[in-house]
Amino acid sequence: DAMVIQNPRYQVTQFGKPVTLSCSQTLNHNVMYWYQQKSSQAPKLLFHYYDKDFNNEADTPDNFQSRRPNTSFCFLDIRSPGLGDAAMYLCATSRGGVSQPQHFGDGTRLSIL
Amino acid sequence: QKEVEQNSGPLSVPEGAIASLNCTYSDRGSQSFFWYRQYSGKSPELIMSIYSNGDKEDGRFTAQLNKASQYVSLLIRDSQPSDSATYLCAVRNGNKLVFGAGTILRVKS
Repeated sequence: DAMVIQNPRYQVTQFGKPVTLSCSQTLNHNVMYWYQQKSSQAPKLLFHYYDKDFNNEADTPDNFQSRRPNTSFCFLDIRSPGLGDAAMYLCATSRGGVSQPQHFGDGTRLSIL
Repeated sequence: QKEVEQNSGPLSVPEGAIASLNCTYSDRGSQSFFWYRQYSGKSPELIMSIYSNGDKEDGRFTAQLNKASQYVSLLIRDSQPSDSATYLCAVRNGNKLVFGAGTILRVKS
């Protein structure tokens, strides 16, 4: 089945230790998104790629960066995680176009020690 | 004013009843609207999309859109305990989706 796959499902890192979360897709969608979701809150968009074009949200901390080496893969790098970065990180994909929904992976739960 | 607003709930309904979930949005130019279901600890799952004024039905789910009132709703008929989840309303803004904080639905057997 075509899908969005996130690895790992659970990630534990130490305060200040860089961490990378990965997302891959077999849907061949040209748009990929990274969201942060904390308990009982709406998913918060961090950035998205439309093909190779990177779009950063104005309030995304500089600590968060992303790479998209090809259509299928996208990575979220957190350079120096703080306790406030503990959250569920969601990857989503969509086709371009205003009518297109987003399809989510299962998420990565990040814990900071 | 938040871009997408939902009552956080919880909304409690008995099994077999109709659950009605509501959402308002601020951008009058929005064209695409989506409902996602999210179980605790899981990722959002798309259940309905709607683009035109009126009703759209899919099985037990009906989405309703009123662009003049900037209002979207989701009706769940014959509610089941397995419908207990958080329902997120999302509004398309260019390439982005803006999510509401979600309404918690609890269906009691």
